[in-house]
Amino acid sequence: DAGVIQSPRHEVTEMGQEVTLRCKPISGHDYLFWYRQTMMRGLELLIYFNNNVPIDDSGMPEDRFSAKMPNASFSTLKIQPSEPRDSAVYFCASSLRQGGQPQHFGDGTRLSIL
Amino acid sequence: DQQVKQNSPSLSVQEGRISILNCDYTNSMFDYFLWYKKYPAEGPTFLISISSIKDKNEDGRFTVFLNKSAKHLSLHIVPSQPGDSAVYFCAATGTGKSTFGDGTTLTVKP
Repeated sequence: DAGVIQSPRHEVTEMGQEVTLRCKPISGHDYLFWYRQTMMRGLELLIYFNNNVPIDDSGMPEDRFSAKMPNASFSTLKIQPSEPRDSAVYFCASSLRQGGQPQHFGDGTRLSIL
Repeated sequence: DQQVKQNSPSLSVQEGRISILNCDYTNSMFDYFLWYKKYPAEGPTFLISISSIKDKNEDGRFTVFLNKSAKHLSLHIVPSQPGDSAVYFCAATGTGKSTFGDGTTLTVKP
């Protein structure tokens, strides 16, 4: 069984550039989550989707961040323009449904903005 | 306002002994609690969960205890093994999303 697949694994880019992170959830999962992990703020939820529809984007830090889920097997998180404070590890996760269902995480994208 | 707190950033135990990781929460509307384990350069992986209507759930060497009146849960690992060395996250779910604690780094010494 393929797990959640994220790409790229590492991204280094200069401030002001557009960054696009990609995620392929586990087939059949209804929910998709984007998280950001930093030393200062820990693991924080940015946005989540149910059946490809954004449900809660209250964690998205500002308008420079956007996320889409055009179909059940693909999602993107975009940062435009990127800033050094966006440097973090970004995780995508998917789950079957809410409640006590565990989330399955990808291995993350380590983003460095110079 | 941090709704899920893991007050111990790190814990070190000897192989074969018990590891106890703690987690406190503030929101009484949480209905499930989950523990995840994370190795470096990997995403968190699910370990064990408990519903808010239960006070204990056991899975092999791992047991989670929930004290609703104290808004406290703990993860017990018995016996601890060096391969258990990782970061452990406590998470609580309520209306559609999970809130994670900051994690506790467990080191099990051979």
